[in-house]
Amino acid sequence: SYELTQPPSVSVSPGQTARITCSGDALPKKYVFWYQQKSGQAPVLVIYEDVKRPSGIPARISGSKSGTMATLTVSGAQVDDEGDYYCYSSYATGDYRGVFGGGTSLTVL
Amino acid sequence: EVQLVESGGGLVQPGRSLRLSCAASGFTFDDYAMHWVRKVPGNGLEWVSGIIWNGGNTQYADSVKGRFTVSRDNAKNSLYLQMNSLRAEDTAVYYCAKDVSPAMWNMDVWGKGTTVTVSS
Repeated sequence: SYELTQPPSVSVSPGQTARITCSGDALPKKYVFWYQQKSGQAPVLVIYEDVKRPSGIPARISGSKSGTMATLTVSGAQVDDEGDYYCYSSYATGDYRGVFGGGTSLTVL
Repeated sequence: EVQLVESGGGLVQPGRSLRLSCAASGFTFDDYAMHWVRKVPGNGLEWVSGIIWNGGNTQYADSVKGRFTVSRDNAKNSLYLQMNSLRAEDTAVYYCAKDVSPAMWNMDVWGKGTTVTVSS
């Protein structure tokens, strides 16, 4: 089955830049979406179609993609940015199959 | 305001069935595909199933195919997940999520989830 690979954890100090990667063989041909989930809450979409930011998401959160790797960047990370981040993509041609990365726990301290 | 409210979770024995519901409000329900996603305790998110705007196309993760059935009632603004032959590994918080398009694309708004525990 298809997999998206993320690092389990990333830790930065407040004000630093955090980068969370997501790798997958199909990513050159498929969009990546990123979700933030804080403890006990529903996931929130923070990046869609590789680089686009939904309204209400701060500009310090950005997305990029090159080849088989996508990157979520949190510039000037704040304590409020802590949580689990998941990349998401689809991988089947024809039928739809969704797949999440394993998730990355971002700690800002 | 877009709202999704899941219900129907609970404790169920292995091999039994459960039906989850998701009540949608704040948007034109039949303009969008919908999804079910689950979070297993201690694990990450798993896409479970999706259904297009008119129910004419449904898709499932391999882990639930043949056991789970997704459906929708556009007249009632409701999404359902019929779960049969439940296993311990189906224990999770189940989220209902709205797509951004009539077909399956990606999810932009999620409900708060309902907890399913499969245990004897």
